[in-house]
Amino acid sequence: EAGVVQSPRYKIIEKKQPVAFWCNPISGHNTLYWYLQNLGQGPELLIRYENEEAVDDSQLPKDRFSAERLKGVDSTLKIQPAELGDSAVYLCASRGGNEQFFGPGTRLTVL
Amino acid sequence: GNSVTQMEGPVTLSEEAFLTINCTYTATGYPSLFWYVQYPGEGLQLLLKATKADDKGSNKGFEATYRKETTSFHLEKGSVQVSDSAVYFCALSRGGADGLTFGKGTHLIIQP
Repeated sequence: EAGVVQSPRYKIIEKKQPVAFWCNPISGHNTLYWYLQNLGQGPELLIRYENEEAVDDSQLPKDRFSAERLKGVDSTLKIQPAELGDSAVYLCASRGGNEQFFGPGTRLTVL
Repeated sequence: GNSVTQMEGPVTLSEEAFLTINCTYTATGYPSLFWYVQYPGEGLQLLLKATKADDKGSNKGFEATYRKETTSFHLEKGSVQVSDSAVYFCALSRGGADGLTFGKGTHLIIQP
């Protein structure tokens, strides 16, 4: 069974540029999460989807961050414009059988 | 709000030593507790979990007991191996499909 797939694995951009991350969850998993992991820290939840509905986006900085999961499968997380402080690893996870399965993450570097 | 505190690393041990990584939590109600592990170059993997007080989670020789009276979920292993070198995260969930609240992680280094 394929795991959670994320792309790209690495992204380097200049500040003020837009960036997007893509996630494909494990097949059949209705719940999808985006987490932010700063260097030396644990992951922090940004948003949770149940199918195509965002049911918890209280920690998503909505002035520059947006997310979508239009068909309830793949999801995209976008930052526009990116700031230096957004340099981090962005993790996607999906839930099955009371367990969250994590993807490898996208490491973003903002110069 | 919910929070998880775990001992800071790095923790350096010799092979076959006894391991304890402390984890305490603050949460309302009765959260589920987890230990995740991140091996070098890999994603987070669930190591073990416990969903109610006095439950013991175990996997790959690691154990942790859900202690409600001390709000703790310490990770232990009797004899560590070089292959156990990784970053370990303690986490909690209020239940259901809620997101996880993680500690900062503990970097474990096992020397041969």
